[in-house]
Formats: sequence, C-alpha cells, structure tokens
Amino acid sequence: GNSVTQMEGPVTLSEEAFLTINCTYTATGYPSLFWYVQYPGEGLQLLLKATKADDKGSNKGFEATYRKETTSFHLEKGSVQVSDSAVYFCALNTNAGKSTFGDGTTLTVKP
Amino acid sequence: EAGVAQSPRYKIIEKRQSVAFWCNPISGHATLYWYQQILGQGPKLLIQFQNNGVVDDSQLPKDRFSAERLKGVDSTLKIQPAKLEDSAVYLCASSPPGGAGSYEQYFGPGTRLTVT
Repeated sequence: GNSVTQMEGPVTLSEEAFLTINCTYTATGYPSLFWYVQYPGEGLQLLLKATKADDKGSNKGFEATYRKETTSFHLEKGSVQVSDSAVYFCALNTNAGKSTFGDGTTLTVKP
Repeated sequence: EAGVAQSPRYKIIEKRQSVAFWCNPISGHATLYWYQQILGQGPKLLIQFQNNGVVDDSQLPKDRFSAERLKGVDSTLKIQPAKLEDSAVYLCASSPPGGAGSYEQYFGPGTRLTVT
C-alpha cells in the first residue's frame, strides 16, 4: 500500500536558521504531494502542494520539490521565524483521491 | 466562505457506550473524508465519500464504526460500542469535485474523543 515517511522530530531551531524536514513516499502511479501545517490550537491547513514530477510548491517562504527519482518531497525554508512553530505533515493523494499522511514533525523555533 | 464544521468539539464517554460525530463540509465539495488522529500520529483515513457513495472504507473497523452521508452533504460517524483505544481526534475534511486527487483537503477543527 501507499506510505509516507517523515523525519522524526521534534526539531528545535533558532530564529533565522535554515529548515529541512525530510519526506519520502511509496505509492503506485503518480500521486499528488502535499505539506499541511497545524499551528498550536488550530486545525490542519494546506501549506503547499505539487501535482507532478519536478513541480515546486511554495508558500510563506517554504518550498518543496516533487522528486520522482528519489520519491521525496522535502520541505525547506531559508530563515525560520518563531511563528513557524507548528506540526508539519507530509501527505499524498492518489489519482483516486485516496490520502495517506505521515506522522508529523514538530518544529519549535526559539528567539 | 464557511469552513468545514464539526460537532461536538469534545466528548467524554465510558467504554462500551455509543457516540456520534457530525460534519458539514464546505458547500459544493463532493468529496468528504473522516480521519482518526491518535496523539503523536498522523491522520489515518477511515472512510472517503464521493457525493453520497463510499469510495474507500478499507480502514474502517466495521464491527464498531459506521458512517453515512445522506444527500451527499452532511455526514455522521458513529462508534458503537466504544473501546479505550478509540480515544483520538476525529477529523472531517472535504475537497472540491474533480481534480483526480490533485485538490487539497480542507479540514474541520476535529472532535476530541476520550473513552474512559
């Protein structure tokens, strides 16, 4: 079956540090890939997405590139802020819309 | 536009009791999902509806869980009888029609269930 593996957390960084959260997937066909974020006390919301190989999704300074050859979709940000502290989930959708989520990575950014 | 609505937000029950959760998706969204999120884990898909038909319920424990989506809009998820391991947050999400899986999901705030 389909699966999504994220780097284990928690991750603690200082403000303005570089962020990478690794995500690899296993799926048949050509899934769409997503990063969702859950801020403290809030619901899950979309951060960015990519729907085909080599696409780059970006939003709020975050980026991730759909790498089919390595089946990866790593999340990056050049300079994190305290307000980026949240739980980040990598997910995939098959063409039929079936979703699989990773277990989440908790990011804490300290001033 | 109004988001995905869920109720109740919190529920505490004893094991072997029954409980029901309600979800109202975003207007016009054909696809509706129910997830179970256990603390420290990612959301696990329980059931997916397309309009009022079931697309995937392979991970739904059908001996105790049931779900319906009448008229292709609102949905209810029921647990009967509940077990301790059912303690989790139950998330409802919806997405627009079409898109062949490329559309993102819009999540409700979730219902936190505690089974004692």
